[in-house]
Amino acid sequence: EPEVTQTPSHQVTQMGQEVILRCVPISNHLYFYWYRQILGQKVEFLVSFYNNEISEKSEIFDDQFSVERPDGSNFTLKIRSTKLEDSAMYFCASSEEAGVLYNEQFFGPGTRLTVL
Amino acid sequence: AQSVTQLDSHVSVSEGTPVLLRCNYSSSYSPSLFWYVQHPNKGLQLLLKYTSAATLVKGINGFEAEFKKSETSFHLTKPSAHMSDAAEYFCVVSINDYKLSFGAGTTVTVRA
Repeated sequence: EPEVTQTPSHQVTQMGQEVILRCVPISNHLYFYWYRQILGQKVEFLVSFYNNEISEKSEIFDDQFSVERPDGSNFTLKIRSTKLEDSAMYFCASSEEAGVLYNEQFFGPGTRLTVL
Repeated sequence: AQSVTQLDSHVSVSEGTPVLLRCNYSSSYSPSLFWYVQHPNKGLQLLLKYTSAATLVKGINGFEAEFKKSETSFHLTKPSAHMSDAAEYFCVVSINDYKLSFGAGTTVTVRA
């Protein structure tokens, strides 16, 4: 069964460093998403991406964050200068369609980012 | 604005007994609702979804949920818990075409 994969499973970085989190969505999916979950808090939406453009982003997704689909299979989240408060589990998701009634998103296992 | 509230942060059941995970929603129109499950070190897996076709929704692994508009609820049930059901469960609402909003999660433990 096709699944979303994410690498690395755990990333440790120093404050101020750049990190890139990588995801391989399901191959025939067209819509891609990043969510995050800070320890002890809810899973929060960060950004959605379609046709090489951001379709929606949350207030969390400021200028320090960027997303890219560099080739036909990968989808990346870059944090330019990490802060302590960026420590969280980051989930990538993809879906075949979008739309409030069809928004069945498939999630990866997550990357745990620890900022020291 | 659409949101969900999971009423229990932790549920403990004995193997073979029923499981009930409670979720209330808030929405100005008929929502699209989901239950996801997360096993340790695994991704979030969709258990079932409600998109207004039928109020009783059957999902994978014997789970089902009933949409009750009068109670603004979407509780998840399973008649007989199995050890493999130990996981974290999330009630989720579709906010718009792209964005999902998650509840806080309910951790289920299953006692032998």
